[in-house]
Amino acid sequence: GAVVSQHPSRVICKSGTSVKIECRSLDFQATTMFWYRQFPKQSLMLMATSNEGSKATYEQGVEKDKFLINHASLTLSTLTVTSAHPEDSSFYICSASTGEVDGYTFGSGTRLTVV
Amino acid sequence: AQSVTQLGSHVSVSEGALVLLRCNYSSSVPPYLFWYVQYPNQGLQLLLKYTTGATLVKGINGFEAEFKKSETSFHLTKPSAHMSDAAEYFCAGRRPGTASKLTFGTGTRLQVML
Repeated sequence: GAVVSQHPSRVICKSGTSVKIECRSLDFQATTMFWYRQFPKQSLMLMATSNEGSKATYEQGVEKDKFLINHASLTLSTLTVTSAHPEDSSFYICSASTGEVDGYTFGSGTRLTVV
Repeated sequence: AQSVTQLGSHVSVSEGALVLLRCNYSSSVPPYLFWYVQYPNQGLQLLLKYTTGATLVKGINGFEAEFKKSETSFHLTKPSAHMSDAAEYFCAGRRPGTASKLTFGTGTRLQVML
């Protein structure tokens, strides 16, 4: 089945630095990728939707200059958290769509801790 | 606008007992509906989905769900709980069509006791 690889699984960074998270579709071409943020014991909040070769569409309240999303190819999307602060600490999950009805495959998530 | 509501943030059952996790949707057009399971510090795994056709859908690990349009519900059940079923469960829906975004419920944590 479709597999999405997300790296790193855990990252600790210093406040003020930037962190890049990668999401790769391993055996299919992802026409659309979604980035979510999940706070402890809460549901997933959609941050943005990205389509290959075009600018990402951000959800209301998400700072696009802080959370940079690049979907340069049909198999790779990246989320860069710029100038990270402790409040950005969270679990980030990507999801890739194959375009099929149920073609939403999730990555294993990235635990970001900003110290 | 579409929304998904999960009743009960925590459900506790004994091993071998029936599991029932509730999900209701609100949408002018019946959406595609999904149940996902999440284990600690992991992504989401699809349990089952309803798009069109048969309203009783069977998924992995012995779970099933029934789409009831009259009740706008898509409750998840499993006849006999196993310790390994302890996890967070999310109901989600999206508009019919390709690549529309998922709307998630708030999640239900299932605890299975010996």
